[in-house]
Amino acid sequence: DTEVTQTPKHLVMGMTNKKSLKCEQHMGHRAMYWYKQKAKKPPELMFVYSYEKLSINESVPSRFSPECPNSSLLNLHLHALQPEDSALYLCASSQGLYNEQFFGPGTRLTVL
Amino acid sequence: SQQGEEDPQALSIQEGENATMNCSYKTSINNLQWYRQNSGRGLVHLILIRSNEREKHSGRLRVTLDTSKKSSSLLITASRAADTASYFCATDAERDDKIIFGKGTRLHILP
Repeated sequence: DTEVTQTPKHLVMGMTNKKSLKCEQHMGHRAMYWYKQKAKKPPELMFVYSYEKLSINESVPSRFSPECPNSSLLNLHLHALQPEDSALYLCASSQGLYNEQFFGPGTRLTVL
Repeated sequence: SQQGEEDPQALSIQEGENATMNCSYKTSINNLQWYRQNSGRGLVHLILIRSNEREKHSGRLRVTLDTSKKSSSLLITASRAADTASYFCATDAERDDKIIFGKGTRLHILP
């Protein structure tokens, strides 16, 4: 299985809602990533987990809270988001930190 | 700040022609990678070239790396409509644990 899955595909939420994005891979990869991507822009790194420990947090606001329950799962908990947080949120995984990354299809998030 | 900068930002060519995209970066790297992204979807890894390699091929793709000029190029030969996508280079700085994506080149193949 060489696939990274993400749920949901689309999410619309209000600024007071709490929601979670989920990502799963079964390739035995030990590094997992969250990226945010605005239209016609490159992906921006948010968080990196290596061996289930948070290794990089790119100064992301606390309204985004990552979680890695086990080596196959990565969550992104969302709370009190702003309309400017609307974007495509991409999850990726890789064997190691410098190896090729496998991306999921993304979650299209709209904050009203 | 971003490590990689692609050039051109947008490129339109006729089907069957070759497409060349360039990437320049600022600091010493371990690897340079190229990814493709179809509109609104996840990225697909195309090729990884290590800092001690100068050229790599994969099917219709050819990547070169010039570490003295801190630049790389991606050549797609005999382009097809399905090659229409955004192409990003991604670099990892030697003293950093993360990969940074360049701004990307939007490639449009005309029928």
